Amino acid sequence: DIQMTQSPSSLSASVGDRVTITCRASQSISSYLNWYQQKPGKAPKLLIYAASSLQSGVPSRFSGSGSGTDFTLTISSLQPEDFATYYCQQSYSTPEVTFGPGTKVDIK
Amino acid sequence: EVQLVESGGGLVQPGGSLRLSCAASGFTFSSYSMNWVRQAPGKGLEWVSYISSSSSTIYYADSVKGRFTISRDNAKNSLYLQMNSLRDEDTAVYYCARIQVLPRGGFDYWGQGTLVTVSS
Repeated sequence: DIQMTQSPSSLSASVGDRVTITCRASQSISSYLNWYQQKPGKAPKLLIYAASSLQSGVPSRFSGSGSGTDFTLTISSLQPEDFATYYCQQSYSTPEVTFGPGTKVDIK
Repeated sequence: EVQLVESGGGLVQPGGSLRLSCAASGFTFSSYSMNWVRQAPGKGLEWVSYISSSSSTIYYADSVKGRFTISRDNAKNSLYLQMNSLRDEDTAVYYCARIQVLPRGGFDYWGQGTLVTVSS
């Protein structure tokens, strides 16, 4: 099984900050890495697919990069609506996908 | 507008059974592979099961293999999850989710979730 880790597990940031979240796979997954945002009581929302492709309707302040085992999600200028938990997901071993443990972004 | 609406959750005793449904609308359901994903209270996301568009390919997480059965009815635009021999650790919000139509895509649409509580 492919294991996913994320760092940090949580972070505090201010509106306007640049935020970077890291995701690492236990083996190479090429670019089959997706990022999701989840707000309390809501379903996850796909932000980035294939490591760096922005899902339709997602603001351009979100970006993704990486390949192989190391990936990053960057929010260029944090907005109030971005406070949420972010999950990475590997789809290399589709259909048996795995999610990272999540990174909670809250207000400093 | 794509919509996925889960139903069927509730309180069930350990060892009991429950059947979840997911009603799809706003897209050609028969063209998409679907999944169930769950989230225990305060925890992360766990993939549960996958079914291809024609039901020809089915996968389960090891944690539910032999106890859960995924199925779909393309004529009714519906996805199902039959859960038997339920355990305390199956307590979670269960989401149905659609896979993007591209190789090894992400889950581009999710339902609102239905809560399953396993407790005596």
